Amino acid sequence: DVKVTQSSRYLVKRTGEKVFLECVQDMDHENMFWYRQDPGLGLRLIYFSYDVKMKEKGDIPEGYSVSREKKERFSLILESASTNQTSMYLCASADRGRTEAFFGQGTRLTVV
Amino acid sequence: AQTVTQSQPEMSVQEAETVTLSCTYDTSESDYYLFWYKQPPSRQMILVIRQEAYKQQNATENRFSVNFQKAAKSFSLKISDSQLGDAAMYFCAYRSSVNDMRFGAGTRLTVKP
Repeated sequence: DVKVTQSSRYLVKRTGEKVFLECVQDMDHENMFWYRQDPGLGLRLIYFSYDVKMKEKGDIPEGYSVSREKKERFSLILESASTNQTSMYLCASADRGRTEAFFGQGTRLTVV
Repeated sequence: AQTVTQSQPEMSVQEAETVTLSCTYDTSESDYYLFWYKQPPSRQMILVIRQEAYKQQNATENRFSVNFQKAAKSFSLKISDSQLGDAAMYFCAYRSSVNDMRFGAGTRLTVKP
């Protein structure tokens, strides 16, 4: 059974903290994605990676960075968390090409 | 970047009836995939159905079918014989040759018993 695992389901952090959201997939997929989900806005792409150490900015990369040192792991980093980054974060992975993406269970991040 | 538009924030259907969710997209590419995902309260995104742009035949998965109009850039989802378990957020998605994947804002479907 395919699996994408996000390190936390719920997370509470303080303003200014450096936050790491981790995502691991076990399907040997080349592509991995980080999305942010907010009511009325759907899923917005933050960053995606098409290979180890390779990344592309999505639609809302400001305030975020990513790291992909190994094929199975894709990390989202909030360098200095702010309250407007309170949101649901979804990680996904997919094969190269036009195939479907598989999702993790999501991390609900609250920045106080 | 390609855009995906879902113009219905909320929809409601009576159990056993049929409902259609709308999606339009904007692209200059000719080869791409389109998807409908379901997100129940558990938050887990579940693939409902996919459509390859080069296929003229509309995809069907049991009670779920699509109406794919490539020239109009329209991709609607029809749910027949609606069940209580169909209640969820539904997202339309587009994936192109550059490998990224874009989603619409979603439609919240309520199923009334």
